[in-house]
Amino acid sequence: EIVLTQSPGTVSLSPGERATLSCRASQSVSSTYLAWYQQKPGQAPRLVIFGASNRAPGIPDRFSGSGSGTDFTLTISRLEPEDFAVYYCQQYGRSPLYSFGQGTKLEIK
Amino acid sequence: QVQLEESGPGLVKPSQTLSLTCTVSGVSISSGSYYWTWIRQPAGEGLEWIGRIYASGSTNYNPSLESRVTISADTSKNQFSLTLTSVTAADTAVYFCARERIVVPAATFDPWGQGTLVTVSS
Repeated sequence: EIVLTQSPGTVSLSPGERATLSCRASQSVSSTYLAWYQQKPGQAPRLVIFGASNRAPGIPDRFSGSGSGTDFTLTISRLEPEDFAVYYCQQYGRSPLYSFGQGTKLEIK
Repeated sequence: QVQLEESGPGLVKPSQTLSLTCTVSGVSISSGSYYWTWIRQPAGEGLEWIGRIYASGSTNYNPSLESRVTISADTSKNQFSLTLTSVTAADTAVYFCARERIVVPAATFDPWGQGTLVTVSS
């Protein structure tokens, strides 16, 4: 079973700052099948990045994804107030077919 | 646009069966381009994939839940359903239904329903 470990658990930043969120897999993951989601309180998750580095439709270009193998990163270049949320990475392909990281909470400092 | 909406009882007694339905609008669940998926989230915790169903009726489940889970579809109503037997307090969660893409962006969930809270309690 692949385990996705996200770090940090919580990060406190100010609007305008840069956020770097990490997702580490216990086994190699195909970049094609690594995605990131944003979840705000009381809402369903929203797809942000797919294929490790591709922005989903409607996602601003301040969001970017990178990485391969076991290490993946979500970067938000200049935080806007609406970016503060919990972010989850997700992989497809190993048993269970899908698994998610435990999430990183991005909070306003 | 495509929309999904979960429905079902918000309270289930321990040892009983949880049943939820997801009603899909804007696309036919018989379309071969998607799977239809259930995901849950206990309060304050992360996301757990439960399982999925394809247009053909084939299913895949999370091994941790496989012995208790059934996902089925009613194409005439454009709905798919989740049944979870022998529930315990550990099954208390917000349950989401979602569309899983097979083609680019493959293996992603979009859109999601708004989620429905199911509490297991006597």
